[in-house]
Amino acid sequence: ETGVTQTPRHLVMGMTNKKSLKCEQHLGHNAMYWYKQSAKKPLELMFVYNFKEQTENNSVPSRFSPECPNSSHLFLHLHTLQPEDSALYLCASSQENIFFSYYLYEQYFGPGTRLTVT
Amino acid sequence: GESVGLHLPTLSVQEGDNSIINCAYSNSASDYFIWYKQESGKGPQFIIDIRSNMDKRQGQRVTVLLNKTVKHLSLQIAATQPGDSAVYFCAENHLMDSNYQLIWGAGTKLIIKP
Repeated sequence: ETGVTQTPRHLVMGMTNKKSLKCEQHLGHNAMYWYKQSAKKPLELMFVYNFKEQTENNSVPSRFSPECPNSSHLFLHLHTLQPEDSALYLCASSQENIFFSYYLYEQYFGPGTRLTVT
Repeated sequence: GESVGLHLPTLSVQEGDNSIINCAYSNSASDYFIWYKQESGKGPQFIIDIRSNMDKRQGQRVTVLLNKTVKHLSLQIAATQPGDSAVYFCAENHLMDSNYQLIWGAGTKLIIKP
């Protein structure tokens, strides 16, 4: 496979469930991102991993827990979600220069996981 | 807070005509701008970028114009095709609290009329 893949593509879960979203990038990039995309709202950056270290957490509730075991894989663990957490969750990766801050290069996105919390 | 905004949420264009999608940004310190295209059921896809030391950049059928005086960014698509139907996002990158932040606009939906 090439590019950035995400599984599952669709997920329906109850508020008491625990589930995980998976992202894998086959591009050899060193930075990975989780975004939340809600209807008619700008993309919301949730987490950034740069060289496998979490470098940003944009005040995301603790019911979302990221994990980056290596530079190719990124997980988002979900627990006790709320209906307003229903959205498209996008993973992205980029190749960043360690001598510059990130976001200076294009990000490659996966197709997203459509999450519905009931 | 800082934000990137789009003038029109939806733009309808006749097939074959040129499309112009506009974007306003508020932070004069932003130094990098990107346009992404998101087709239905897919993640955003990079189209073109421009750095603040430029005012124009051309790609294949696309041109991005940057007017720093009025903090305005536009994406021009030549000879619009059905495959151009998508939501287009602009994003700006600027330094905030010692870290770069990428701020996304809400998106403009481009509809191609046959």
